[in-house]
Amino acid sequence: GQQLNQSPQSMFIQEGEDVSMNCTSSSIFNTWLWYKQDPGEGPVLLIALYKAGELTSNGRLTAQFGITRKDSFLNISASIPSDVGIYFCAGRSRSDNNDMRFGAGTRLTVKP
Amino acid sequence: DSGVTQTPKHLITATGQRVTLRCSPRSGDLSVYWYQQSLDQGLQFLIQYYNGEERAKGNILERFSAQQFPDLHSELNLSSLELGDSALYFCASSVSGGASEQFFGPGTRLTVL
Repeated sequence: GQQLNQSPQSMFIQEGEDVSMNCTSSSIFNTWLWYKQDPGEGPVLLIALYKAGELTSNGRLTAQFGITRKDSFLNISASIPSDVGIYFCAGRSRSDNNDMRFGAGTRLTVKP
Repeated sequence: DSGVTQTPKHLITATGQRVTLRCSPRSGDLSVYWYQQSLDQGLQFLIQYYNGEERAKGNILERFSAQQFPDLHSELNLSSLELGDSALYFCASSVSGGASEQFFGPGTRLTVL
């Protein structure tokens, strides 16, 4: 199946800093989703994107569906300690039977 | 709270045994997905059901099977368990079987000793 390349693998930042992570694919995606997972819990949907170029915000989080439809990024502004967790990108591609594929995750640590 | 429920929360069993994990989707959702997450790994898609029928299959072992019942709850059966099957198993649900958002349950942590 299609693989998503998510980077960076991990980030260590200071409280108040902005964060950026991204996902790329070798094929065109028609949906991009961003999830956050706290330890021992299920992923929680943060933002869903359905159109190339779409830019969507959810509080301090902003995500964009890349124009090429092969990438997406997630920005977190003014990070706080509760932003700690693993962030996953996910997407669907018609060339992959529209199955949802997940990136390997970005582990975010925020130092107070 | 996503509205997706999973039981049990924890399960400890021995190699060679068989277990059943249960999932109830959000009210109104017709599709159920099962994922496996090993320690510090990403989510591996196992299988999807839509309105009682198998819709898509991922990296699911032959020792594993699933079904979705008329009331839309789903069960994942894992048999002949091996040490490597120890993982978090998540269920997710969505309104339809197509390109729609998935909502995850809290997971079942399976430990095979």
